[in-house]
Amino acid sequence: EPEVTQTPSHQVTQMGQEVILRCVPISNHLYFYWYRQILGQKVEFLVSFYNNEISEKSEIFDDQFSVERPDGSNFTLKIRSTKLEDSAMYFCASRYDRSSYEQYFGPGTRLTVT
Amino acid sequence: AQKVTQAQTEISVVEKEDVTLDCVYETRDTTYYLFWYKQPPSGELVFLIRRNSFDEQNEISGRYSWNFQKSTSSFNFTITASQVVDSAVYFCALSEVADSWGKFQFGAGTQVVVTP
Repeated sequence: EPEVTQTPSHQVTQMGQEVILRCVPISNHLYFYWYRQILGQKVEFLVSFYNNEISEKSEIFDDQFSVERPDGSNFTLKIRSTKLEDSAMYFCASRYDRSSYEQYFGPGTRLTVT
Repeated sequence: AQKVTQAQTEISVVEKEDVTLDCVYETRDTTYYLFWYKQPPSGELVFLIRRNSFDEQNEISGRYSWNFQKSTSSFNFTITASQVVDSAVYFCALSEVADSWGKFQFGAGTQVVVTP
């Protein structure tokens, strides 16, 4: 069965460094998402992406964040200058099309900022 | 405003007891989807069920059952005869059809601890 994959599973970085989290959505899916879960808290929506552009973003998704689908298969989340409070689990998700309301989640990338 | 409320932060039970997790949601949409996910200690989100707003039938899958009541905006989840492997955080989520981009709005989660 097709699945969403994410790399790396765990990333440790120093404050102020740039990180790129990578996701490979299911191949025929059209909608892509990033969510964040700070340890012990709920899963929060960051951004949705459709037709090669951001379709919606939350208040959390400020200028430090960007997303890209560079090659038609990968979907990346970049954090330009990480802060301690960016430490969290980041989940990528994809969805087939507008009529399908199920999102398929990747296993997550745990980001630790020291 | 909180769209999905899971009022129980943690529930502790002894193996073989039943446990019911509450989920109350808020939406003005007539068409929406509700989901339950399990998050074991390893951290991934495991899909359990999807229910659309037009289908109020309760569902049973093995030891899991779901009670959807539109009148009270609730979508509760029961684990029957709990096992240690059921220990996890369980999240309820809402997706509104009027939201074109279909983002999920999660509740705060309920930690279930099952002891032998």
